[in-house]
Amino acid sequence: AQSVAQPEDQVNVAEGNPLTVKCTYSVSGNPYLFWYVQYPNRGLQFLLKYITGDNLVKGSYGFEAEFNKSQTSFHLKKPSALVSDSALYFCAVSPSGNRDDKIIFGKGTRLHILP
Amino acid sequence: DARVTQTPRHKVTEMGQEVTMRCQPILGHNTVFWYRQTMMQGLELLAYFRNRAPLDDSGMPKDRFSAEMPDATLATLKIQPSEPRDSAVYFCASGPPPTGHTGELFFGEGSRLTVL
Repeated sequence: AQSVAQPEDQVNVAEGNPLTVKCTYSVSGNPYLFWYVQYPNRGLQFLLKYITGDNLVKGSYGFEAEFNKSQTSFHLKKPSALVSDSALYFCAVSPSGNRDDKIIFGKGTRLHILP
Repeated sequence: DARVTQTPRHKVTEMGQEVTMRCQPILGHNTVFWYRQTMMQGLELLAYFRNRAPLDDSGMPKDRFSAEMPDATLATLKIQPSEPRDSAVYFCASGPPPTGHTGELFFGEGSRLTVL
């Protein structure tokens, strides 16, 4: 079955420190991978995506993510965290070749940046 | 500024009542998704449409939920009868074709449903 796992419900990081939010996936073939962010009482917003090419992709607000095919992971990273980065982060996957365009989300990881 | 519009933003109703949530996707987007967000389950895909045709509604309880797109500017999600376990935030999202390749879904602000 196709699935996305975010093993941490919550991640706490001190402001200025690097942050990592973990994501692993289980799909057949070569998936397309995404990160979204949700601020309180808002809908989700697209951050970045991996389709093909360079394993390190850069997105909005200084975030980047590293695709690792052997570990089936797509961890979200930022070199220096800001308090304003505190939000709920979702990893998502769309199976490659899936012409039906289904996008499956993980359960989300709450990121707390401590001042 | 194009955006996905959902109504109502908040709805409190009693068990057994019918609830209809509406979504206006971004003009030109041909895929529409309905997701449900709860603390326990996270973000669940309920149903989605491409060019107004339902592609997958396997995530939706068929006995009480129904999703339709009467035209390209309106998607509806109906619950009849509603139950307390339906309490959640329901999100509509739309995407330009082909969504699976671009990945960028545009989400509405959500409809927060409370069933008493």
